[in-house]
Amino acid sequence: AQSVSQHNHHVILSEAASLELGCNYSYGGTVNLFWYVQYPGQHLQLLLKYFSGDPLVKGIKGFEAEFIKSKFSFNLRKPSVQWSDTAEYFCAVNPATDSWGKLQFGAGTQVVVTP
Amino acid sequence: DAGVTQSPTHLIKTRGQQVTLRCSPKSGHDTVSWYQQALGQGPQFIFQYYEEEERQRGNFPDRFSGHQFPNYSSELNVNALLLGDSALYLCASSWDSSYNEQFFGPGTRLTVL
Repeated sequence: AQSVSQHNHHVILSEAASLELGCNYSYGGTVNLFWYVQYPGQHLQLLLKYFSGDPLVKGIKGFEAEFIKSKFSFNLRKPSVQWSDTAEYFCAVNPATDSWGKLQFGAGTQVVVTP
Repeated sequence: DAGVTQSPTHLIKTRGQQVTLRCSPKSGHDTVSWYQQALGQGPQFIFQYYEEEERQRGNFPDRFSGHQFPNYSSELNVNALLLGDSALYLCASSWDSSYNEQFFGPGTRLTVL
């Protein structure tokens, strides 16, 4: 079955530390890839997306993600986190054959940044 | 410009009852998707509405049904509620096409007792 896996359920780190969240998917074909974030008390919002082209994509708030096709991975990174990055992060996949945008999400990673 | 709005915010029902959740899409959006997010899990796709028709459906039973109105707003109906239907129900809107960002609403928290 097609699936999206996020490696860590909970991550705790200090301000200024680097963050990397793993995401792997099991679709065999071309995919569109997304990272969404949910800050406490707020809606899910898009951090960044990859459709094609440069496999290193930059999003909002200093986040970036790298698509490695051979590893079926789309890992999220931020070089130096802030307390305000405390949130839940979701990786999502949309098969490129699905022109209507259905998203399949991973289970999410709760990130807590301590001062 | 209002984003995606959902009502009600919270809802408590008992097993066997029926529930209707409502969603108003972001201005200019014509496509509405519904997701179920159980505790500790990521959102799961229920179905998508476009031009008042259900055009795509996830792996959910027929107890889950929906509707889209001419003004693009949408309803999600769940019949014969089960305890396992307790979840956060998210509505997302977009302008047609997978290349357009989906904007999510705040969700409706449904508790089934």
